[in-house]
Amino acid sequence: AQTVTQSQPEMSVQEAETVTLSCTYDTSESNYYLFWYKQPPSRQMILVIRQEAYKQQNATENRFSVNFQKAAKSFSLKISDSQLGDTAMYFCAFVGYGGSQGNLIFGKGTKLSVKP
Amino acid sequence: DTEVTQTPKHLVMGMTNKKSLKCEQHMGHRAMYWYKQKAKKPPELMFVYSYEKLSINESVPSRFSPECPNSSLLNLHLHALQPEDSALYLCASSLLLANLGNIQYFGAGTRLSVL
Repeated sequence: AQTVTQSQPEMSVQEAETVTLSCTYDTSESNYYLFWYKQPPSRQMILVIRQEAYKQQNATENRFSVNFQKAAKSFSLKISDSQLGDTAMYFCAFVGYGGSQGNLIFGKGTKLSVKP
Repeated sequence: DTEVTQTPKHLVMGMTNKKSLKCEQHMGHRAMYWYKQKAKKPPELMFVYSYEKLSINESVPSRFSPECPNSSLLNLHLHALQPEDSALYLCASSLLLANLGNIQYFGAGTRLSVL
């Protein structure tokens, strides 16, 4: 069975600094997709970044980038120049290409607080 | 436009009531999802529709009844709920099913309280 583990329940960072959120996963599939979603207090889940497992290049999206280590099954999210609006719950998620058709498997989440 | 609209935003209902949650998207997506999220927990998948047909039912109690009347609309009918069903109900949609790498776009959710 596939699992996603986020080992940091809560983190905090000063505004303008850099923070890294960790995520590990377990799967026997060779092709899959990984996502980071953020959920601010407004409740809406927003996609931060997506990584395709067959692509070796790490995905980046403005201040957000990932460190994807396929062999180690690790998928960490780096937020540079943190802003107050980055305060949110961050969920790492996995879906296997051959797996259950719609089932995004989420980690338990990391609550990030950005302090002024 | 990547908007998924859910109504109502808040709902309070008694255990004998019948109510419905509504979800709408106009992005041409053919896969739609219902999730249940308890406080400080990740979303849990309830149902998946693909091309208006129920694709996945994750062993959800029959007091939750999904309906997909057309490709833009997804309903969740609620009947005889229990207090433990109080949660945030999230709807999502994607162009095609998620296992093909399609991004799921989420609505803002309906906060349900069962008294």
